[in-house]
Amino acid sequence: QSALTQPASVSGSPGQSITISCTGTSSDVGGYNYVSWYQQHPGKAPKLMIYDAVYRPSGVSNRFSGSKSGNTASLTISGLQAEDEADYYCSSYTSSSTLKDVFGTGTKVTVL
Amino acid sequence: QVQLQESGPGLVKPSETLSLTCTVSGYSISSGYYWGWIRQPPGKGLEWIGSIYYSENIYYNPSLKSRVTISVDTSKNQFSLKLRSVTAADTAVYYCARDMRWGMPTMEFDYWGQGTLVTVSS
Repeated sequence: QSALTQPASVSGSPGQSITISCTGTSSDVGGYNYVSWYQQHPGKAPKLMIYDAVYRPSGVSNRFSGSKSGNTASLTISGLQAEDEADYYCSSYTSSSTLKDVFGTGTKVTVL
Repeated sequence: QVQLQESGPGLVKPSETLSLTCTVSGYSISSGYYWGWIRQPPGKGLEWIGSIYYSENIYYNPSLKSRVTISVDTSKNQFSLKLRSVTAADTAVYYCARDMRWGMPTMEFDYWGQGTLVTVSS
């Protein structure tokens, strides 16, 4: 089972919007809505930012939004702020061969 | 507030068994959620190791299944990870986490421990 494909890096200026893609297959992203996104600052545990592809947990800024089309999910950060600089990982439920989870390769977001 | 805390040796010798425990506070581990282990090698991405629901349903990453055992101790409100025959490739930060949906594994983790670094070296 291969990891989900994400761009290695994305950058933007404060106030801009950026989008991170997460490409999988019909066995994971395309087959289920259990797609989640995590933010990870250096030395910290991942933080859930989006679940079920489009929903934000309580307490997560509405500048973060998720979407999904076919085998690709996306995370958009609008009004980019310095504190958004972090690594971002997508994840998807998958039933390929056996029940398991698959994470994305990770994207480093840089605020210019 | 749900809190998770990993504990265990920070250094394990090659070919030995890595053993970690996750202590859950603020919620009963026997109350219907899946609980998982995820690891992250230094400078690399996240890898799901496995998830457990009581001691009834246990799922493992196929790439690790032959070496991994996850178990629950409801009396201590803990769940544990054992990884046998470790090599340097198993050096990683190990996280425990809770699957957010009651009663079913969606692999969406809402509460995480702070993580513990385990180094495999002689």
